Amino acid sequence: QQQVRQSPQSLTVWEGETAILNCSYENSAFDYFPWYQQFPGEGPALLIAIRSVSDKKEDGRFTIFFNKREKKLSLHITDSQPGDSATYFCAASNTGYQNFYFGKGTSLTVIP
Amino acid sequence: EAAVTQSPRSKVAVTGGKVTLSCHQTNNHDYMYWYRQDTGHGLRLIHYSYVADSTEKGDIPDGYKASRPSQENFSLILELASLSQTAVYFCASSDRFSNERLFFGHGTKLSVL
Repeated sequence: QQQVRQSPQSLTVWEGETAILNCSYENSAFDYFPWYQQFPGEGPALLIAIRSVSDKKEDGRFTIFFNKREKKLSLHITDSQPGDSATYFCAASNTGYQNFYFGKGTSLTVIP
Repeated sequence: EAAVTQSPRSKVAVTGGKVTLSCHQTNNHDYMYWYRQDTGHGLRLIHYSYVADSTEKGDIPDGYKASRPSQENFSLILELASLSQTAVYFCASSDRFSNERLFFGHGTKLSVL
């Protein structure tokens, strides 16, 4: 059973637009949700994360919106840049438990 | 910046052969992980370790063994490589007291022919 689901599988936006990446999860016990960014040929790197006690986390052009009741979250990338073109993974875990569950990823392409 | 180094970066193996993927971290982290990445499947956990000389099974351990001889080193072993094990493998580490961030290596691309 897929614990973490992401949509869309791929997304193309123009430079300057806002990209919205969606994520949902199954396990209500999950309370920590990191997003990882992966460029081709590299390992994923932590981009931004949110805890379930918050409904929003902002870091520059990247914002996570979190809806605990619906078990959904989204990553908004405002003023998208070509350098943001990468694959984005949503992950989930619960505090005290060392394993993370990853979604299948969203491949983002930003056209100049 | 924390560092996780994987070797080799790529490998071609024959079906039925033995493959060992190595990982070395200089982060002084207790936790280490092996993930597998396939197109359309994201990252799936194979094995992980909390401490040297101890390993745990992840979500897809079948066909894989792991070894943690020291805090810094974590190996993934395929005793009898199969075509279905063609994938990119990532090693990661995390801090015991602040397990909020995985530090990944660059990955090993394994092709089993």
